Amino acid sequence: QKEVEQDPGPLSVPEGAIVSLNCTYSNSAFQYFMWYRQYSRKGPELLMYTYSSGNKEDGRFTAQVDKSSKYISLFIRDSQPSDSATYLCAALTGGGNKLTFGTGTQLKVEL
Amino acid sequence: GAVVSQHPSRVICKSGTSVKIECRSLDFQATTMFWYRQFPKQSLMLMATSNEGSKATYEQGVEKDKFLINHASLTLSTLTVTSAHPEDSSFYICVGAQKNTEAFFGQGTRLTVV
Repeated sequence: QKEVEQDPGPLSVPEGAIVSLNCTYSNSAFQYFMWYRQYSRKGPELLMYTYSSGNKEDGRFTAQVDKSSKYISLFIRDSQPSDSATYLCAALTGGGNKLTFGTGTQLKVEL
Repeated sequence: GAVVSQHPSRVICKSGTSVKIECRSLDFQATTMFWYRQFPKQSLMLMATSNEGSKATYEQGVEKDKFLINHASLTLSTLTVTSAHPEDSSFYICVGAQKNTEAFFGQGTRLTVV
């Protein structure tokens, strides 16, 4: 079993839809949870990170972590075609010595 | 904000030569540097984890004599691909991390071996 599981998609939604991207993890030592966005032929860029459980909001993006169920979510409101990309979840131990990525979910927002 | 600066962003080299990729952490001290490889349309594959001042830990199947990693300081880590072959052509990415914070990606290096 992979330590971070993510549905690869692809996920296709109409413009303006609310997008929900999810990951699960198995290692209780993970303390930091990140979401990265990767456009085609580019390196991943950090979108948001959350420490331990809770929600974090930044504009149209909300990251949510539920440590009791080991579930990580990213919500995108009012999705735009420019949001079309691959979204990677990642988990990092508190000591910063183990970083594990999900396989990435490919998202396409259509006009 | 914290940044990992990775160079070069793109390199083309001849088969049999060596290529060095540098990652510098700006505004933070990367106690750990992770090195990943990404083939087209595939997910990130961890190659090795290096901690400042110690030898890198390589993932199974990654040749440590071919992919030399040096992490001599808290702000600089390098990956040298030795005797490169066309099958080494890939996108290489470093990720810097320290205790009690999130991790930061370098911009990536697209290596093409001809």
